Amino acid sequence: DAGVTQSPTHLIKTRGQQVTLRCSPKSGHDTVSWYQQALGQGPQFIFQYYEEEERQRGNFPDRFSGHQFPNYSSELNVNALLLGDSALYLCASSWAGTGIYEQYFGPGTRLTVT
Amino acid sequence: AQTVTQSQPEMSVQEAETVTLSCTYDTSESNYYLFWYKQPPSRQMILVIRQEAYKQQNATENRFSVNFQKAAKSFSLKISDSQLGDTAMYFCAFMKATSGSRLTFGEGTQLTVNP
Repeated sequence: DAGVTQSPTHLIKTRGQQVTLRCSPKSGHDTVSWYQQALGQGPQFIFQYYEEEERQRGNFPDRFSGHQFPNYSSELNVNALLLGDSALYLCASSWAGTGIYEQYFGPGTRLTVT
Repeated sequence: AQTVTQSQPEMSVQEAETVTLSCTYDTSESNYYLFWYKQPPSRQMILVIRQEAYKQQNATENRFSVNFQKAAKSFSLKISDSQLGDTAMYFCAFMKATSGSRLTFGEGTQLTVNP
């Protein structure tokens, strides 16, 4: 049973550019959440997708956007990159039907903005 | 809004000994979940243990157990018989027990197990 997968593993971008990160949820999961983890800090919630719609959003600017596809995979897009966007981006999946809401994390994408 | 505080940035323990990591949280919710996640250098966030707030009994998973004090809003993790593979960053996290909830994480505690 494949767990949560993310691509790419590492990414280097220049300020002002745009980036797309991808996530495939664990088999059987229908909800995808994205988190940003700056170096030495705990993850911060960006947003969550369920049934192809953004269901919740954290305190992140509109430069951060996302999408969920019919197969439940998801993308995180960041426009007009800033140096402060350098972080580990984690994707987590869960199944809305469990009533327990355990989230399973992928290995993350390390984004470096220069 | 919920907040989670881990007051120990770093801890160390000798192999085979017991160590306790502290976590406090603040919430006005009555129904919620608390989690401990482990993040080794590989970066993969791994669920260690879960506690439902409505359960009085403390959760246990093999060498890992929690001390959940709901009134004090405290949720500590005890690791018994520490192993070298336990070396990692440990995060305490809170989640409301409503559909579509998010995890709110603490700042983390770096645990080093020494041989």
